[in-house]
Amino acid sequence: DTAVSQTPKYLVTQMGNDKSIKCEQNLGHDTMYWYKQDSKKFLKIMFSYNNKELIINETVPNRFSPKSPDKAHLNLHINSLELGDSAVYFCASTMGGGNHEQFFGPGTRLTVL
Amino acid sequence: AQSVTQLDSQVPVFEEAPVELRCNYSSSVSVYLFWYVQYPNQGLQLLLKYLSGSTLVKGINGFEAEFNKSQTSFHLRKPSVHISDTAEYFCAVSDFNQGGKLIFGQGTELSVKP
Repeated sequence: DTAVSQTPKYLVTQMGNDKSIKCEQNLGHDTMYWYKQDSKKFLKIMFSYNNKELIINETVPNRFSPKSPDKAHLNLHINSLELGDSAVYFCASTMGGGNHEQFFGPGTRLTVL
Repeated sequence: AQSVTQLDSQVPVFEEAPVELRCNYSSSVSVYLFWYVQYPNQGLQLLLKYLSGSTLVKGINGFEAEFNKSQTSFHLRKPSVHISDTAEYFCAVSDFNQGGKLIFGQGTELSVKP
């Protein structure tokens, strides 16, 4: 069974569209994250949720809105997509705190044309 | 603010040679340190972590890292690399007081040649 899964794996869309990326973890973890990996492979935290509560929001444009319907799911909705949003988005989960391994999903490659 | 610097963006090495990937961090508080590996078109996988205790940490696939507090370094080493070790390697720090978020270095591309 996949521990952290993301859908879709690839997403190609036009500028101005709205799209969502879904993430699910079956590890029983209580904390989930979204990271963005740019074209130079630099990884940066975007959001974190703990038990459905937002705990980290790293100066991400408000076109990005995370939603956590339950602690096993953390979705990312992006409005009015821009060229600069093209990247690989990774979901991760952990048991909480900073001393536990984060388990990463396979990533979603978003291409905005 | 915390930061992580990986001193080499690319490290080419021949198969069976030793390798060291360098990582320095800056932080005024206690941190947890991690090395992750990313194979092409895949997510990140934990190689090893340092939380406390022994400064020499052993991980998967024969990798190890040494935590050096005075030099604020956490270099990754392997005595003999394989072609299959070709991947991107990321050093990261985590601060318990910041929700456990990982701050990543820029990554080091390890390329193992036959």
